[in-house]
Amino acid sequence: AQTVTQSQPEMSVQEAETVTLSCTYDTSESDYYLFWYKQPPSRQMILVIRQEAYKQQNATENRFSVNFQKAAKSFSLKISDSQLGDAAMYFCAYRSGTGNQFYFGTGTSLTVIP
Amino acid sequence: EPEVTQTPSHQVTQMGQEVILRCVPISNHLYFYWYRQILGQKVEFLVSFYNNEISEKSEIFDDQFSVERPDGSNFTLKIRSTKLEDSAMYFCASSYYGYTFGSGTRLTVV
Repeated sequence: AQTVTQSQPEMSVQEAETVTLSCTYDTSESDYYLFWYKQPPSRQMILVIRQEAYKQQNATENRFSVNFQKAAKSFSLKISDSQLGDAAMYFCAYRSGTGNQFYFGTGTSLTVIP
Repeated sequence: EPEVTQTPSHQVTQMGQEVILRCVPISNHLYFYWYRQILGQKVEFLVSFYNNEISEKSEIFDDQFSVERPDGSNFTLKIRSTKLEDSAMYFCASSYYGYTFGSGTRLTVV
């Protein structure tokens, strides 16, 4: 089974600074998708960004970008110009290109310091 | 933007009682899912449903759980005899080309 590992249970960042959240995964598949989800205290799952494994270009969504290293099976999330509203739990997730099930990491709790 | 709607947002039930969690997937989606998140833990897959039958289920999804699509719009998760350890956030999701999670139902078993 695929595994997703987030080695940072907690991170903090000063407002307006940049922070990087780490994620590694283990798979033998070549076709898959990777995601970062944000979970605020309301516990809703909000999609932040997704990356298709076949794409070499790193995905970017406004202040959020990823560093996708396929050979290293690494998928980190960079948040630039951090805002107070970015404070949340962040989950890295994997989905096979041939299946429909998501595999989630254990999450990183991000605190933004004013 | 289309949403997956889950009701209720919070449900409290007594141990041993049956509970039904309801979801309205996005209308043109064909695949439906339930996930569970125990407080402080990661989100875990329970079951996927396609073409009116279960297509995949995890070891968590034992005989006390069942899913149903009783009409053309709802997708339900039934827990027959709730236990304290069933207390969790339950997320419904649906997919076709895109994959969308609902906002969750917080189940508290007392």
